[in-house]
Amino acid sequence: DGGITQSPKYLFRKEGQNVTLSCEQNLNHDAMYWYRQDPGQGLRLIYYSQIVNDFQKGDIAEGYSVSREKKESFPLTVTSAQKNPTAFYLCASSSRRPGRAYEQYFGPGTRLTVT
Amino acid sequence: DAKTTQPPSMDCAEGRAANLPCNHSTISGNEYVYWYRQIHSQGPQYIIHGLKNNETNEMASLIITEDRKSSTLILPHATLRDTAVYYCIVRVDWGSSGDKLTFGTGTRLAVRP
Repeated sequence: DGGITQSPKYLFRKEGQNVTLSCEQNLNHDAMYWYRQDPGQGLRLIYYSQIVNDFQKGDIAEGYSVSREKKESFPLTVTSAQKNPTAFYLCASSSRRPGRAYEQYFGPGTRLTVT
Repeated sequence: DAKTTQPPSMDCAEGRAANLPCNHSTISGNEYVYWYRQIHSQGPQYIIHGLKNNETNEMASLIITEDRKSSTLILPHATLRDTAVYYCIVRVDWGSSGDKLTFGTGTRLAVRP
């Protein structure tokens, strides 16, 4: 089955530690995205990548880093510089076909808790 | 991008049609209407999108008014599994802000037995 996988589902870390969240897709999509969701709120874009070896900052990139070495993978690192890292992190991907730019497919999410 | 307005909550009986409205009175000619939903603690799920014409797929129908200032998402036979927050989003195809999807607060749909 085609889809997006994120691991782990739940992650706990101590403050001051970097942590990397995994995102893999087998949909052959060019574009991939990372969003953050806080309780009761909408999604906010952290980073996105429209092609391998290229990525752009979203609205809240500070304290995060990404890489896009393979089409299928777009890992997100939450660094110790991120002041409020506890959140629900969602990865998505999309085809870049005209007229379908925002048909994004989301993974199940990773709930990160930093204490 | 055009701003959207949705009611904060709605409910419907299981098996009946759920009609979720969205106002987007400032929509421009090249902006699409997208609908997503998010079931509690899961990632959002794409439902349907359209530009001018009404659209239907296996999940729902999208009715866009002739002036394009509002739209309605129709779930023809709602089930308990359709209980979710539904988001209406209006975007230009490949906007300047980098493919970002902006999810507002949406409509919380409760399907009752």
